[in-house]
Amino acid sequence: RKEVEQDPGPFNVPEGATVAFNCTYSNSASQSFFWYRQDCRKEPKLLMSVYSSGNEDGRFTAQLNRASQYISLLIRDSKLSDSATYLCVVNWESGGGADGLTFGKGTHLIIQP
Amino acid sequence: DAGITQSPRYKITETGRQVTLMCHQTWSHSYMFWYRQDLGHGLRLIYYSAAADITDKGEVPDGYVVSRSKTENFPLTLESATRSQTSVYFCASSIFLGAIAFGSGTRLTVV
Repeated sequence: RKEVEQDPGPFNVPEGATVAFNCTYSNSASQSFFWYRQDCRKEPKLLMSVYSSGNEDGRFTAQLNRASQYISLLIRDSKLSDSATYLCVVNWESGGGADGLTFGKGTHLIIQP
Repeated sequence: DAGITQSPRYKITETGRQVTLMCHQTWSHSYMFWYRQDLGHGLRLIYYSAAADITDKGEVPDGYVVSRSKTENFPLTLESATRSQTSVYFCASSIFLGAIAFGSGTRLTVV
């Protein structure tokens, strides 16, 4: 079974701080990677894709480490509105089937005032 | 409005009844998915479809039936609801695998 592991948290972080969390995956043949954000009792929403060279979107930076098989998400200058659960998603692209798309169980982040 | 819509938002049904959850998307995305989300399990894929008239099982298909006669619709039917199917159900769609857009979910309670 292809596994995607995340620390469930919660991560309690003061407003304005920088926080980072990782997601490890078991299959070295993984092709593409994503971070999603899910607010309480809401649907998951795509936050950003994760590229091999790393990518940044405002206060958010995503990194991929293929050698150690993990992806990371860093949030700078955290806001109260960043409080959510962050899900990592790994796609193994098993012949084009969606069964290769695996969600982690999420990391719960709480930004405290 | 463009997007992906699910109905109903909330449903309570009795054990043994058949219930259908509806999903409609206006983007003409080729891929559509049904997930269930439960505490301790995260999101689990029930069924997916790569195009109209093509469906495939996911991780937890037992007790569910899907169809996709039109690109925009992907209903999920629980043939004979059981308490273990109490969950939050998300429909989703995408152009390619990974960057998928979710509907707002259906909270189903089986009593």
